Amino acid sequence: GAVVSQHPSRVICKSGTSVKIECRSLDFQATTMFWYRQFPKQSLMLMATSNEGSKATYEQGVEKDKFLINHASLTLSTLTVTSAHPEDSSFYICSASDQKDTQYFGPGTRLTVL
Amino acid sequence: RKEVEQDPGPFNVPEGATVAFNCTYSNSASQSFFWYRQDCRKEPKLLMSVYSSGNEDGRFTAQLNRASQYISLLIRDSKLSDSATYLCVVTKTGGGNKLTFGTGTQLKVEL
Repeated sequence: GAVVSQHPSRVICKSGTSVKIECRSLDFQATTMFWYRQFPKQSLMLMATSNEGSKATYEQGVEKDKFLINHASLTLSTLTVTSAHPEDSSFYICSASDQKDTQYFGPGTRLTVL
Repeated sequence: RKEVEQDPGPFNVPEGATVAFNCTYSNSASQSFFWYRQDCRKEPKLLMSVYSSGNEDGRFTAQLNRASQYISLLIRDSKLSDSATYLCVVTKTGGGNKLTFGTGTQLKVEL
């Protein structure tokens, strides 16, 4: 099946720093990528939809200036958490959609902000 | 009301048991339905799609009742390796293939 990677898998940072997370589709081209966030014992919440070459579409309540998304190629999307704070600590998961609209999930990035 | 609701469990069952999970969704316009499996601290993985006619994949059977806005998953002959959280997922209304996840039902299969 299709493979999606994320990097880094885990990051610990100080409050106020920015963190960049990469999502790559390794063996297929993904026109659309999605970014999710999951807090402990909660469901995955869609943050934004990322389309190659255009601006991301953010879900209600997600600050676009805080969560910067860039989808520069058909195999790479990045999420930058700017000026991270402890409440941003979460499990961030991306998914990439193939031509049949099937979503394949990356392994996730666990962010801890001290 | 949540868009997708599930009993969080946990469901503790002995190996070999049959267990059923239910899920309800609030929006009648939801179009596609799935069950995903998520292991602790891992990403979700697609278990199976759910169709109105019902579908079966080995020990797993999924059914959809559109009239009641209800989805079920039946696991027969439970294995220890089935222990995980099972997520009910529907496509987001008016959002193409955007997925809306339930909070999941935790299954623990014991010896």
